[in-house]
Amino acid sequence: AQRVTQPEKLLSVFKGAPVELKCNYSYSGSPELFWYVQYSRQRLQLLLRHISRESIKGFTADLNKGETSFHLKKPFAQEEDSAMYYCALGIRDSSYKLIFGSGTRLLVRP
Amino acid sequence: KAGVTQTPRYLIKTRGQQVTLSCSPISGHRSVSWYQQTPGQGLQFLFEYFSETQRNKGNFPGRFSGRQFSNSRSEMNVSTLELGDSALYLCASSPGQTLEKLFFGSGTQLSVL
Repeated sequence: AQRVTQPEKLLSVFKGAPVELKCNYSYSGSPELFWYVQYSRQRLQLLLRHISRESIKGFTADLNKGETSFHLKKPFAQEEDSAMYYCALGIRDSSYKLIFGSGTRLLVRP
Repeated sequence: KAGVTQTPRYLIKTRGQQVTLSCSPISGHRSVSWYQQTPGQGLQFLFEYFSETQRNKGNFPGRFSGRQFSNSRSEMNVSTLELGDSALYLCASSPGQTLEKLFFGSGTQLSVL
């Protein structure tokens, strides 16, 4: 079965602390992983994708096929990082679709 | 470019009624997909359309249906509404040829009383 698991509903950290939002996936094919973010009163938007191997707003994520994980990390959290974060698995079958995790709310306190 | 536009922004319906939601994708995007967002289930894939054809469908009952027009605009219909259909319905568009970035609309908040 294709599934994305984000075990934490809420992650609360202080400003300047490291952040790691966990994501595990289940998929028998070749995975394409994404992180989407939804800031308060804004639309859901792409944060980063694993094939780009990029750092966006200081966030990085490495695909670990052995552990079937795609954790999102940032060394020093900022208050503006407070948002809802969704990990998503890209599936190619008859077309393309994203399977989202249930999301983790990140709260960065001053 | 204008973003993905969803109308209406809010809807209140009663059980048993039917509802139609509309989505206008970004100009040039041919793929439109629909997601249901609830606090308990998160984002769940409903279906995806490309060039007026449904290419993929999620695990939702047949009460949920959709279509896409020649101008790529899409509508989603839910018949015989149930209380559990209350959710934010999100539409996303993309060029549609690969699994590239999705652009989401602001959603339609549906409340079923």
